[in-house]
Amino acid sequence: DVKVTQSSRYLVKRTGEKVFLECVQDMDHENMFWYRQDPGLGLRLIYFSYDVKMKEKGDIPEGYSVSREKKERFSLILESASTNQTSMYLCASNPGGSTNEKLFFGSGTQLSVL
Amino acid sequence: AQTVTQSQPEMSVQEAETVTLSCTYDTSESDYYLFWYKQPPSRQMILVIRQEAYKQQNATENRFSVNFQKAAKSFSLKISDSQLGDAAMYFCAYRTPYSGNTPLVFGKGTRLSVIA
Repeated sequence: DVKVTQSSRYLVKRTGEKVFLECVQDMDHENMFWYRQDPGLGLRLIYFSYDVKMKEKGDIPEGYSVSREKKERFSLILESASTNQTSMYLCASNPGGSTNEKLFFGSGTQLSVL
Repeated sequence: AQTVTQSQPEMSVQEAETVTLSCTYDTSESDYYLFWYKQPPSRQMILVIRQEAYKQQNATENRFSVNFQKAAKSFSLKISDSQLGDAAMYFCAYRTPYSGNTPLVFGKGTRLSVIA
């Protein structure tokens, strides 16, 4: 079975810190995604990547950047964390190509910025 | 841009009863894909069911079925014989068919409670 692993389940950081959220998938998927989940707002796309070193902005990229140096790993970076970035972050992947292919999700990282 | 609307933030159902979760979407495309995902308290998102817009027949997966009304742009999820394990957040999602690289667009979710 496909596994998408997010490095931390819970994370607490201080305002202004640089934060790295890591995501690794083990099935050679082309596409990887970062979503943010907030109560009452659902899942909103931050960034996605369809190949190594490629990235595309989603709906809410402000305050975030990403890195994909290797196919299996997709990192979300908060350059200077702020309290409004306290949220649940979900990573997902899929093979690409077939458009009805489901997304495989990690278990999420609950980030608190104090 | 495509949008997905789930008008019921919360729903509840008695165990063994049937419940229907609503989803509408806005698109100018004629072909697309629709999904329902479930997120239990464990936070692990699970695909419940998917539907290709070009297919007339409503998708079914065991106790889960959809009512797909293309003209009305409606995609509701029916859960029959509800079980305690069905308690979760449910998200409706849309994807354009033109590229496998395009991301899903999600609704805001419906929290389903199952009462024993």
